[in-house]
Amino acid sequence: AQTVTQSQPEMSVQEAETVTLSCTYDTSESDYYLFWYKQPPSRQMILVIRQEAYKQQNATENRFSVNFQKAAKSFSLKISDSQLGDAAMYFCASPGNTPLVFGKGTRLSVIA
Amino acid sequence: EPEVTQTPSHQVTQMGQEVILRCVPISNHLYFYWYRQILGQKVEFLVSFYNNEISEKSEIFDDQFSVERPDGSNFTLKIRSTKLEDSAMYFCASDGEGSAGPNSPLHFGNGTRLTVT
Repeated sequence: AQTVTQSQPEMSVQEAETVTLSCTYDTSESDYYLFWYKQPPSRQMILVIRQEAYKQQNATENRFSVNFQKAAKSFSLKISDSQLGDAAMYFCASPGNTPLVFGKGTRLSVIA
Repeated sequence: EPEVTQTPSHQVTQMGQEVILRCVPISNHLYFYWYRQILGQKVEFLVSFYNNEISEKSEIFDDQFSVERPDGSNFTLKIRSTKLEDSAMYFCASDGEGSAGPNSPLHFGNGTRLTVT
């Protein structure tokens, strides 16, 4: 069965600093996508970034980037120049034989 | 930008009552989903819907649950006889981006908070 593991229940970062959120996954698929979703206090689910497994280049979206290590099945999210609005739950997700499977999430706090 | 809309934003119901949660997916999307998030826990897959029928469902999606696409725009989740443990945030999602594949990024609605008392 597809599994997604986020080993950091909570993280904190100083405003303007960089933080990395970890995610590992297990899949038997050879071609797949990986996603990071942000859930602010409003509880809306917002797509932050996605990575296509067959692409070697790490995805980047403005201050958000990923470190994708396919052999290690690792997919971490790096947030640069952290802002107060980045405070949220962050969920890593991956499709497998079923629709998206989510990790348990990492709660990110940003300290002013 | 088109978005998935869900109504109501908050529903309070008594145990044993039926509830219908409503969703309007993005108009050109072909796959539709319901997910559930119990407070403080992870987002869990309930059911996917494609071509007017259920394509997959999880163990959570038992006989108390049903989905329907009654017209060309709405996608509903019905819980026939609610239990206390059904209290959760329910998210509708759709995907597309033209590829209509299961790996497309999901676009989520803002969710319906269901409280069963």
